[in-house]
Amino acid sequence: RKEVEQDPGPFNVPEGATVAFNCTYSNSASQSFFWYRQDCRKEPKLLMSVYSSGNEDGRFTAQLNRASQYISLLIRDSKLSDSATYLCVVNIGAAGNKLTFGGGTRVLVKP
Amino acid sequence: EADIYQTPRYLVIGTGKKITLECSQTMGHDKMYWYQQDPGMELHLIHYSYGVNSTEKGDLSSESTVSRIRTEHFPLTLESARPSHTSQYLCASSEGGWGNQPQHFGDGTRLSIL
Repeated sequence: RKEVEQDPGPFNVPEGATVAFNCTYSNSASQSFFWYRQDCRKEPKLLMSVYSSGNEDGRFTAQLNRASQYISLLIRDSKLSDSATYLCVVNIGAAGNKLTFGGGTRVLVKP
Repeated sequence: EADIYQTPRYLVIGTGKKITLECSQTMGHDKMYWYQQDPGMELHLIHYSYGVNSTEKGDLSSESTVSRIRTEHFPLTLESARPSHTSQYLCASSEGGWGNQPQHFGDGTRLSIL
C-alpha cells in the first residue's frame, strides 16, 4: 500500500460546479498536510496547507479527518483555470522528517 | 513566495556526457530537495539536504550525486548520462522543520539524453 494515495481521476467537472476529492495516508503519526497544484509540464505550486480544524481559501476548502486518515479538497464554482493535477502532500513519520507526495488527482473543468 | 532558480530549463545532450543541473535559492532555506518526475507520473525524491555539508539519498535510487557547499546552492550531477536519465528534475527548498513547512519548487529542468 502506498503511503499517500489519491484517485488519479480525471474528474470531469462542468464549469461552475463543485468538485471534491480525497487523499488517504497510511501513517497515523503524520502531522503536516498540504495541497499542491501542478499544471501540465510545470512545477508543483503550494495551494494551501491543511489545518486540523479545516480551512478555506476563497473557493477552496481543505479538511482533515484524522480518525479515517484522509484529507479532502473541495473546489466551489469551478473555473476553467482550475484544470490541473492536485497533489496531496503528507509528512510521514512521527518526527515529521519526511514529506511524501501523492500521485495526484487530475481535474478537468469544461465549459 | 520563495525564489528558487534552476538552470538550464531544457537540456538535450548525448549519452556519456557529464551533466550538472544547477539549483539556487535566495531565501536562506536550510532544506533543499531534488525530485525526478516523468510526464504524467508521480514525483520521486532522489536527494535532499538538511543544510551545508549534509546530503542524503531519497526514496528513488538515482545514479546522480549532489553537493551542498553553500546554503543557497544544491547542484545535481550525472557523471555519465544515459537515455534512462531522461526526465524532468525539480529542485525545491523549505525553511524550518522538515515536515512542517511547505516546499517551494523551481521551474524544473527537462533533461533529454539521446
